[in-house]
Amino acid sequence: DGGITQSPKYLFRKEGQNVTLSCEQNLNHDAMYWYRQDPGQGLRLIYYSQIVNDFQKGDIAEGYSVSREKKESFPLTVTSAQKNPTAFYLCASSMAGPGEKLFFGSGTQLSVL
Amino acid sequence: GQQLNQSPQSMFIQEGEDVSMNCTSSSIFNTWLWYKQEPGEGPVLLIALYKAGELTSNGRLTAQFGITRKDSFLNISASIPSDVGIYFCAGHSTGTASKLTFGTGTRLQVTL
Repeated sequence: DGGITQSPKYLFRKEGQNVTLSCEQNLNHDAMYWYRQDPGQGLRLIYYSQIVNDFQKGDIAEGYSVSREKKESFPLTVTSAQKNPTAFYLCASSMAGPGEKLFFGSGTQLSVL
Repeated sequence: GQQLNQSPQSMFIQEGEDVSMNCTSSSIFNTWLWYKQEPGEGPVLLIALYKAGELTSNGRLTAQFGITRKDSFLNISASIPSDVGIYFCAGHSTGTASKLTFGTGTRLQVTL
C-alpha cells in the first residue's frame, strides 16, 4: 500500500540531546513537509522540500534541521537549540507543491524527559 | 505565519444532528481543503475545492468554496459517533511559497 510512514510513534528526548524523526513515502511525491502540532492549535510548518537536495524554512524552523538526500525520505532533527520540543510532529507529502493536496503520516509524539 | 479563523472551536452534538462549521480568511484563496484528524493520528483529506462557488460532497459531508474566496464551509449531515475528531480547513493562494495555511480546528464530539 502506498503511504507515508513516520517513526517512531513515541520519542523521548533528554536535555541537550538531538533526536531525529523519520519520514518515508512511497507515493512518488516530489514535495515533502514537516509540521508541528501543539494541543488545541493548528498545524505550523517547520520545513518543506520540493525537490531532492533542496529545502526551505517554514514558519518555525529555529531549532530544527532537515535533509532531503532521497526523494522518498525527509528526516527531521530536533536539536538541543529547540527549547520547547514537546509536540506532535506530522510529516506530509504532495505531488508537486503549492495548492496540491497534502497526505499526512500518522505522526510522532515527542516528549522531554 | 498566518492562520485561518475557524469556528466554532468545539461542538457537542447528538447523534443524528447536522453539523456546520466554517473558515474565514483576510486573504483570497485559490484552494480550500478540509481534513479530519482523530486522536494520535495524522489528518486525513476529506474534500478539496478549487473554484469559487464550488459545492462538493463526499458521502454525508458537503463543503463549499465561498464566493468571496475568503471563506469555506463544511456541513456534516446525520452525524454518527465515528464523526468524532478535529476538523481542519486549509487554504492556499498563488504567491504563497509552497505552503498551506491551516485553521485552528473544530473539535466535534457526538453523544448517543
